[in-house]
Amino acid sequence: QSALTQPRSVSGSPGQSVTISCTGTSSDVGGYNYVSWYQQHPGKAPKLMIYDVSKRPSGVPDRFSGSKSGNTASLTISGLQAEDEADYYCCSYAGSYTSYVFGTGTKVTVL
Amino acid sequence: QVTLRESGPALVKPTQTLTLTCTFSGFSLSTSGMCVSWIRQPPGKALEWLALIDWDDDKYYSTSLKTRLTISKDTSKNQVVLTMTNMDPVDTATYYCARILLQGGAFDIWGQGTMVTVSS
Repeated sequence: QSALTQPRSVSGSPGQSVTISCTGTSSDVGGYNYVSWYQQHPGKAPKLMIYDVSKRPSGVPDRFSGSKSGNTASLTISGLQAEDEADYYCCSYAGSYTSYVFGTGTKVTVL
Repeated sequence: QVTLRESGPALVKPTQTLTLTCTFSGFSLSTSGMCVSWIRQPPGKALEWLALIDWDDDKYYSTSLKTRLTISKDTSKNQVVLTMTNMDPVDTATYYCARILLQGGAFDIWGQGTMVTVSS
């Protein structure tokens, strides 16, 4: 099972919006509405930001939103803030045999 | 409050078997739908899913590592154990355990991770 493809890095100024793509196949991203996104600051454990493609856990700012079209999922951060600077990983369920696959990770830089 | 904590050796030698324990609180792995998973992250690299065990004792493994992995649970102790055989320096990573509320769903709560170095 190959990792999902994400851009290596994206950047934006405070207040701007950035979008991170996550491309898989019909066996993972395209086949299930079980895409999740994780934020990871250096030296810290990942934190769930989006689940089931577009749902936000309690406590996650509504600046974070998720969507999916075909085999590509996206995470958008609106109104970028300094504390959003981190690595972001997508993850998709891929069926009972393969189970889960993570993305390659994207570093978000706030200019 | 839901918490998970990983424990195990910080250093293992090549060819040895690694045993990691995830001790959790705030939920029961006997609750229908509940799962615990292991994920690892080599230094500076991406997350990699390893294994999952569910409330019904069903087990799922990464296809690339399944011959080396075994996951098990002790519901009475609130623990999940992962063993990985034939360790190699490329297995050097931070190993995390995480909870899933329903198989297919997201990893909603993570442990802080435990760093394992494979070196002679």
